[in-house]
Amino acid sequence: DTAVSQTPKYLVTQMGNDKSIKCEQNLGHDTMYWYKQDSKKFLKIMFSYNNKELIINETVPNRFSPKSPDKAHLNLHINSLELGDSAVYFCASSQGGTETSLGKLFFGSGTQLSVL
Amino acid sequence: GQNIDQPTEMTATEGAIVQINCTYQTSGFNGLFWYQQHAGEAPTFLSYNVLDGLEEKGRFSSFLSRSKGYSYLLLKELQMKDSASYLCAVMDSNYQLIWGAGTKLIIKP
Repeated sequence: DTAVSQTPKYLVTQMGNDKSIKCEQNLGHDTMYWYKQDSKKFLKIMFSYNNKELIINETVPNRFSPKSPDKAHLNLHINSLELGDSAVYFCASSQGGTETSLGKLFFGSGTQLSVL
Repeated sequence: GQNIDQPTEMTATEGAIVQINCTYQTSGFNGLFWYQQHAGEAPTFLSYNVLDGLEEKGRFSSFLSRSKGYSYLLLKELQMKDSASYLCAVMDSNYQLIWGAGTKLIIKP
């Protein structure tokens, strides 16, 4: 049983299109995240959701919008895709309560997004 | 600003020992985390330090000095499967993780 699953694994699309990436966790965690990892492998947080409420919204373009129907799901919708959006996007979750559990992230397998 | 520094790449020999350093400057400190990421895969949690000293976990150990803003990850008896990137992350005063760019470790036979 996969703890954090995200789909699709690969996403190839044209500039200007709208696409979504889905994420689900079966760990019962309270907090979910979206990270972007660029070609230099630097992990940058995009969004964080705690019990369906947005608690971090870093300086990402408003073309990116997270959607959380319940605390086990956090989807990422991207409008008007641009070349610079090409990267690997990781979903992750963690359990709150202590610093240890909050910082111990469980990642999905990643979505390789290529914008042509 | 907040900053995490790690070497970009290191090379070591199978069976040897390697130390990967991490220095940080953050607004507050609530712990330091090490993650391992194999090529094409997701990062996985390795260790957590919040107090000064060495935490040992099998072949891997992690050290922290808060006064120096410094940590290292020590890998012993290196195996080929240890070839991966190692990411250092610090939890700041807002309980947000600040990530380093990672150190790519190459193991040679």
